[in-house]
Amino acid sequence: SSEVTQDPAVSVALGQTVRITCQGDSLRSYYASWYQQKPGQAPVLVIYGKNNRPSGFPDRFSGSSSGNTASLTITGAQAEDEADYYCNSRDSSGNHVVFGGGTKLTVL
Amino acid sequence: QVQLQESGPGLVKPSETLSLTCTVSGGSLSSFYWSWIRQPPGKGLEWIGYIYYNGSTNYSPSLKSRVTLSVDTSKNKFSLKLSSVTAADTAMYYCARGPSGSSGEEYFQHWGQGTLVTVSS
Repeated sequence: SSEVTQDPAVSVALGQTVRITCQGDSLRSYYASWYQQKPGQAPVLVIYGKNNRPSGFPDRFSGSSSGNTASLTITGAQAEDEADYYCNSRDSSGNHVVFGGGTKLTVL
Repeated sequence: QVQLQESGPGLVKPSETLSLTCTVSGGSLSSFYWSWIRQPPGKGLEWIGYIYYNGSTNYSPSLKSRVTLSVDTSKNKFSLKLSSVTAADTAMYYCARGPSGSSGEEYFQHWGQGTLVTVSS
């Protein structure tokens, strides 16, 4: 079992805003990073640190954190954003890396 | 641009040892951590462990008894050995650079394309 948890599935209407969350005690001390994974592809880093995007990634993706919850927000979701999204951080001991179980995003 | 490429057998028999290598191009292993992450078919990502370029390691508690990571800086490669495999070890195995980041940050920016390893007799 993971020490950071995600909702299994979320849906959003095309062009609307969606928030995907990641919860865990370690998130009070560590930032979550976020990855997008499309079928048959390796994960791609979307957000890291406080709210940093790798160069070339759309600015409709943003990250935030409050207490034990980290969030990935997509403002104006596009059809190509339909994918699985994973958060990653440290476990509650701070000694090991953990991934959330993933959230399947459907764009309607 | 850093690129990673996994290689190794795609089929391993139960109870045997799974061995994979990750070749890094476009950059040096030095001063970075290097990880293995796996994903069983239809399931989520699981961190296996990481190795620093100097050879220090950190393993997932759930796999620690069966995992060995090693690094060869002269060849710009690092490797994974997972012993006593069962069908539950069938997964896509990814190598990645990281975790990277300053204090409080943990992220993996560079990933290999992954290699599927099936455990079956």
